[in-house]
Amino acid sequence: QVQLKESGPGLVQPSQTLSLTCTVSGFSLMDYSVHWVRQPPGKGLEWMGRMKYDGDTYYNSALKSRLSISRDTSKSQVFLKMNSLQTEDTAIYYCTRRYLFDYWGQGVMVTVSS
Amino acid sequence: DIQMTQSPSSMSASLGDRVTITCQASQDIGNNLIWFQQKPGKSPRPMIYYATNLANGVPSRFSGSRSGSDYSLTISSLESEDMADYHCLQYKQYPLTFGSGTKLEIK
Repeated sequence: QVQLKESGPGLVQPSQTLSLTCTVSGFSLMDYSVHWVRQPPGKGLEWMGRMKYDGDTYYNSALKSRLSISRDTSKSQVFLKMNSLQTEDTAIYYCTRRYLFDYWGQGVMVTVSS
Repeated sequence: DIQMTQSPSSMSASLGDRVTITCQASQDIGNNLIWFQQKPGKSPRPMIYYATNLANGVPSRFSGSRSGSDYSLTISSLESEDMADYHCLQYKQYPLTFGSGTKLEIK
């Protein structure tokens, strides 16, 4: 069955770089796109960017200068890297499948704090 | 960027009530809109695709509609399990944008 699972550090220091991994199963990254979405505590959802099935990427312009999404199709993994983290980047980070967002990971809570 | 203005931000309703949540798009998005339900501590769950199509397994008391640039999610008869946050998402154009969310509470 289709599954996505986020992994990464729960705590990141301000100004440091966040690295997250989305490991998928039940489908191929060469057939479906994967998107990243985040949600600050008690707030709404923000679309961050996507890795298309053909390897193309697209980023939210508000994050573009800090954000990078890549993948390793052999490992069924999509990676998110975001630098210069600030406290406002504290959020639950989700990966989700294709533009219909039909399957989601359980999310990973990332806290930016010293 | 396309702005999605969602209302209300929160509401309280009684069991059996008819409930409607609305998103207004700042530009034409056609029917490229999804409604999500999110329960506390859980990931969002798609409820309605293409503005009006019920996702698999979603109870028939949920429905979606469109009038011009206004998109609505309606629960015909509120049940206790419907207590959740609801979000709309437009996927007509990048960047994809969400509404600000609606917190639905049971009176």
